[in-house]
Amino acid sequence: EAAVTQSPRSKVAVTGGKVTLSCHQTNNHDYMYWYRQDTGHGLRLIHYSYVADSTEKGDIPDGYKASRPSQENFSLILELASLSQTAVYFCASSDRDWGGIAFGSGTRLTVL
Amino acid sequence: QQKVQQSPESLIVPEGGMASLNCTSSDRNVDYFWWYRQHSGKSPKMLMSIFSNGEKEEGRFTVHLNKASLHTSLHIRDSQPSDSALYLCAASDYGSSGNKLIFGIGTLLSVKP
Repeated sequence: EAAVTQSPRSKVAVTGGKVTLSCHQTNNHDYMYWYRQDTGHGLRLIHYSYVADSTEKGDIPDGYKASRPSQENFSLILELASLSQTAVYFCASSDRDWGGIAFGSGTRLTVL
Repeated sequence: QQKVQQSPESLIVPEGGMASLNCTSSDRNVDYFWWYRQHSGKSPKMLMSIFSNGEKEEGRFTVHLNKASLHTSLHIRDSQPSDSALYLCAASDYGSSGNKLIFGIGTLLSVKP
């Protein structure tokens, strides 16, 4: 079954540490996204990608990097984690025919 | 200011009742709208999409779109306790930003038995 799989499901990180969130999709979709969800802010787009080896900045890219080494994989990197980056992070994918985006199950990140 | 604004923030309806949720975009270039449903602790799942003026119905769910006012609404008839969830509206300016969706904060629906 086609899917978007995120790892880890949850993570506790220390302030100033490096965090990598991984996403793998079997939908054969060209587009992949990273969103974060916070109470009061809804879902906000961090980075996205149209094609392997290329990423684009979303609405809130500061403090985050993204990497798309292949069509199937898309990572979100926090080089220096901060308290304000505590949130639930969702990866998603979509195709060129634009049938909407499909979300992974999310990663709950807590920065202490 | 949120580019996609939803109202009300929360809504309580009795089981079997009608729930009506609203969404407006402040971006005049928006031309695609989606509705997603997110149960507590789960990821958002797409409910319906609408691109043309008018109405679209799927089972108990009906979506309206007025492109002139950039307003869409979602109506759930015969509401069930299992419909209790966060409902997210999303919009896209497909012509310039491709598949990039901007989400509203959501409406939290509670259906009381």
